[in-house]
Amino acid sequence: DIVMTQSPLSLPVTLGQPASISCRSSQTFVHSDGNTYLHWFQQRPGQSPRRLIHKISNRDYGVPDRFSGSGSGTDFTLKISRVEAEDIGVYYCVQATHWPWTFGQGTKVEIK
Amino acid sequence: QVQLVESGGGVVQAGRSLRLSCVVSGFTFSRYGMHWVRQAPGKGLEWVSVISFDGRDKQYAGSVKGRFTISRDNSKNTLNLQMNSLRAEDTAVYYCAKIDCGADCPPDFWGQGTLVTVSS
Repeated sequence: DIVMTQSPLSLPVTLGQPASISCRSSQTFVHSDGNTYLHWFQQRPGQSPRRLIHKISNRDYGVPDRFSGSGSGTDFTLKISRVEAEDIGVYYCVQATHWPWTFGQGTKVEIK
Repeated sequence: QVQLVESGGGVVQAGRSLRLSCVVSGFTFSRYGMHWVRQAPGKGLEWVSVISFDGRDKQYAGSVKGRFTISRDNSKNTLNLQMNSLRAEDTAVYYCAKIDCGADCPPDFWGQGTLVTVSS
């Protein structure tokens, strides 16, 4: 199975300041269709997860443009340009190219 | 309005069985693969299983393979997860989710989750 490793696991942030989360995989996972199925999910406290970014860098419908994804190979990053109060929660990367899908451990974003 | 409503969770003794269901409305259920994802108390997300739109293809996490069976009834817009030989480590909130993303990546939808507690 592909292992996804996120860092940091805890990220204290100041409102209005940027934040960045790293996700590294144990191997590359390019699909035969040429896509790398690396997605980012957000889970706010007490809520079900929701997808923010799909295929490395594509924002899902309704996701604010302060969220951006980048990366390639085995290194991927989720950035929040200016953290807002509603961004508090846990963020997960997941590789969805190969079975089984594998999630990172999660990064908890909290107010400093 | 899209709704995914899980049911069937509860407290069960280790070694016993439980069947989860997820009733879907608001989108054409029969067109999409469906997933189960679980979350142990205070822990992260763990992918459990997926079933193709027509029920022919199924995949499982290694931790549940041979014990859990995913199925669907497209005539009833229902996704199921039969869980046998339950273990304490299966204790989690189980979410059904429409999270497939291919060349086309439609919006994702999740249920509110149902809690399964396995007592040893």
